[in-house]
Amino acid sequence: GEEVAQTPKHLVRGEGQKAKLYCAPIKGHSYVFWYQQVLKNEFKFLISFQNENVFDETGMPKERFSAKCLPNSPCSLEIQATKLEDSAVYFCASSHGAEGNQPQHFGDGTRLSIL
Amino acid sequence: AQSVTQLGSHVSVSEGALVLLRCNYSSSVPPYLFWYVQYPNQGLQLLLKYTTGATLVKGINGFEAEFKKSETSFHLTKPSAHMSDAAEYFCAVPNSGGYQKVTFGTGTKLQVIP
Repeated sequence: GEEVAQTPKHLVRGEGQKAKLYCAPIKGHSYVFWYQQVLKNEFKFLISFQNENVFDETGMPKERFSAKCLPNSPCSLEIQATKLEDSAVYFCASSHGAEGNQPQHFGDGTRLSIL
Repeated sequence: AQSVTQLGSHVSVSEGALVLLRCNYSSSVPPYLFWYVQYPNQGLQLLLKYTTGATLVKGINGFEAEFKKSETSFHLTKPSAHMSDAAEYFCAVPNSGGYQKVTFGTGTKLQVIP
C-alpha cells in the first residue's frame, strides 16, 4: 500500500495482559521502525528491521518487548505482562533505504492503554 | 550522537501572521534534517527535508526551512498562518553513522488564533 497501516487504532489491556500491535509498511520499503511516544511530545526509538532481520534493537526493553517482521505478514510488536508505564502511542514507520537522507513514513499509531 | 533542540514548546500566532518555529542541531558536520507535523490523533507527516544542495528547502502546505550552518539552525517558517496549521511540529535528525533511527526534538505546538 501507499501508507503505513497500523492496527488496531486503540488497544486496552489490563495490567499483566499481553498486547500485540501490527504494522504493514509501505510496499517496497525494506526498513521498518518502531517508536514509543509516552508523553505527548517525546519519541523513543525501540527497534528497526531490514526486511525480516533485526537491524537495531538498542531501544527495546529486553524483558517484555519483542518484535518480528516475517515475510508476507504485517510486522508486529508484542508486549508481555504489560505494565501501567507501557501506556503510550506506538508508531511504526517505514523507509525505502537506511541512509540518513531517506525520510521515514509514519503510520497513525496504536494507542495502548494499560488499566 | 546527533540531537536537535526546539526552542519554545508552544507558539501562538494570529491567522495570517508569520509562523516561525525554531530548531537548532548539534553536529560537527552538516546533518540531514527533517521537519514533521503531527495533527491530533494522527501520525507524523513529513513536511520537508534537507539533505544536500540548496539550503532553502520548500515543503508542503506552504512551509519552508533554511539550513544555516553558521548558526546550526534549521528554522521552519510560513509567511501566513492558516487555522489548519494548528498542530505539533517536530524537528528531527537521523542517527549518525548512516543507519537511521531518528532523533526527534521535543516538539512545538502551534496555536493559530482567529
